[in-house]
Amino acid sequence: GAGVSQSPSNKVTEKGKDVELRCDPISGHTALYWYRQSLGQGLEFLIYFQGNSAPDKSGLPSDRFSAERTGGSVSTLTIQRTQQEDSAVYLCASRGGTADTDTQYFGPGTRLTVL
Amino acid sequence: KQEVTQIPAALSVPEGENLVLNCSFTDSAIYNLQWFRQDPGKGLTSLLLIQSSQREQTSGRLNASLDKSSGRSTLYIAASQPGDSATYLCAVTDSSYKLIFGSGTRLLVRP
Repeated sequence: GAGVSQSPSNKVTEKGKDVELRCDPISGHTALYWYRQSLGQGLEFLIYFQGNSAPDKSGLPSDRFSAERTGGSVSTLTIQRTQQEDSAVYLCASRGGTADTDTQYFGPGTRLTVL
Repeated sequence: KQEVTQIPAALSVPEGENLVLNCSFTDSAIYNLQWFRQDPGKGLTSLLLIQSSQREQTSGRLNASLDKSSGRSTLYIAASQPGDSATYLCAVTDSSYKLIFGSGTRLLVRP
């Protein structure tokens, strides 16, 4: 597609359930990033993929959070045993086109609400 | 640890005014700096990217400057319009290109 897409756009879940958030980057972009935007913390980095490998996972807040990327394209962020403090907007970005290798392009985000 | 600060936190101006948004960062060892716009309930739109070796970038009514040694960047918006109302975010990157964001400036341009 023309831009970064994310699904679902909204997710409401109960505390303790697992959730999966999906990101489809811009075709051909080799780098993919996950960020989280919450009211108390602003925008914070979670994890970075270069191809299918994740050289920087330093932003993942706990071991309940994991992410993978397959085929150098789609990425899934999984949150296990969700907690109320996980409620936030999860944003995905990709980078690395041939014309503009440095700019990160963001998807619309997934709004996660944990009840 | 890199920290990014944006001033002011909120700004309200009448249409037509020129305005300046400020961004400062604590570690000058950045790779580049990006300015983004975020509309309510939406993702981020990249406005301008300045490489660490550059001093400024321009796009239409927007001009961003970078003084890496002093850890400062400014975003200048000329002849503001109501459609410019949004939150403006400044972010710096390290060599892995991960973005470290400021808390943003909420701009309201009144007709």
